[in-house]
Amino acid sequence: KAGVTQTPRYLIKTRGQQVTLSCSPISGHRSVSWYQQTPGQGLQFLFEYFSETQRNKGNFPGRFSGRQFSNSRSEMNVSTLELGDSALYLCASSWETGTHGYTFGSGTRLTVV
Amino acid sequence: AQTVTQSQPEMSVQEAETVTLSCTYDTSENNYYLFWYKQPPSRQMILVIRQEAYKQQNATENRFSVNFQKAAKSFSLKISDSQLGDTAMYFCAFMKLTPYGYNFNKFYFGSGTKLNVKP
Repeated sequence: KAGVTQTPRYLIKTRGQQVTLSCSPISGHRSVSWYQQTPGQGLQFLFEYFSETQRNKGNFPGRFSGRQFSNSRSEMNVSTLELGDSALYLCASSWETGTHGYTFGSGTRLTVV
Repeated sequence: AQTVTQSQPEMSVQEAETVTLSCTYDTSENNYYLFWYKQPPSRQMILVIRQEAYKQQNATENRFSVNFQKAAKSFSLKISDSQLGDTAMYFCAFMKLTPYGYNFNKFYFGSGTKLNVKP
């Protein structure tokens, strides 16, 4: 069965631009979460979507947003990019609750120059 | 708030030997799950093992086992018969349970331990 697919794998953007990252969860998984991973801050929770609704949100500025479609695919958007947004963005999917653990994708490496 | 601490930034072990990675956490919750994830250079986080806090019995998955001490808020991972493919970053993670309808379906991760398995 296919895993969690994140596209693109790598991305280079300029400060001030906006970016959209995509995540396709495992078939049947309805919960999709996003995490930001940086060397300094480690893994930080961005938000979680379930059945097209944002159920939980981390402590990130409003420049970070997301959405989920009816097929459970999710996108996250970062507007007005800053250098500090350079990070690995990981998407994870699960059944309704994540208590059996989430399945992660390989991430999108975003570099802001 | 929940915090997860991994005090060993990096560890090394010889192939076929046993190694233990430490993790402590701080929470006022009584019902939660604990996880160990592995992140190899491919970047994908891979679930190694999980533990329900209400279970006394320590979880095991083949060569991987945990020592869960709820009162001490400790959750260490033991890797037996280490293999070269075990070389990776290992993250300890905490997830608190929620009443249905309210969600805190998110991980609190530790800072990670880089494990090097040497031939």
